[in-house]
Amino acid sequence: QVQLVESGGGLVKPGGSLRLSCAASGFTFSDYYMSWVRQAPGKGLEWVSYITSSADTIYYADSVKGRFTISRDNAKNSLYLQMNSLRAEDTAVYYCARGNTMNYWGQGTLVTVSS
Amino acid sequence: EIVMTQSPATLSVSPGERATLSCRASQSVSSNLAWYQHKPGQAPRLLIYGASTRATGIPARFSGSGSGTEFTLTISSLQSEDFAVYYCLQYNNWPRTFGQGTKVEIQ
Repeated sequence: QVQLVESGGGLVKPGGSLRLSCAASGFTFSDYYMSWVRQAPGKGLEWVSYITSSADTIYYADSVKGRFTISRDNAKNSLYLQMNSLRAEDTAVYYCARGNTMNYWGQGTLVTVSS
Repeated sequence: EIVMTQSPATLSVSPGERATLSCRASQSVSSNLAWYQHKPGQAPRLLIYGASTRATGIPARFSGSGSGTEFTLTISSLQSEDFAVYYCLQYNNWPRTFGQGTKVEIQ
């Protein structure tokens, strides 16, 4: 069965960095576009970033452009999100999701940005 | 950026009743519209894609309709497990944008 498992979240100070990972299994990872989506406490879902199957096309939300970098390693069935210059407003649960319609999601990993 | 507006913000419904949720796009998204169910502490679950196609394993009581800028998610007879927050997502344009959500609560 399709599984997506995020990891790498935690507490970080403003201005700090964190790298999230998403381990995929149960499907041919290299065939699928992937996205990161986040949910701040008490807020709705916010799309963050997207990468095509071969990583030749990448998009970011304006709120993270220039600070976050999405990448993938198809040999390791893994998706990543490098987050730099973190701000309090980046505090959220971060989910990875599969495909253009985001038909499968992980359980999420919590990122807290606080001094 | 396409703004997705959901209404109402909260819907109070009794089990067994019908629930109708709306999603409006600020410009046409064709039929590139999905609906998700989200419960606290769980992963969001895709219900509908292509505006009206049920995702794998989704019960027939969930149906979607609309195209262009106006979309509807209907739950024909609410079950206890359906009380959750529902989001629409447009995947026609970049950036992808979600509606702010409709909370379906027990009346």
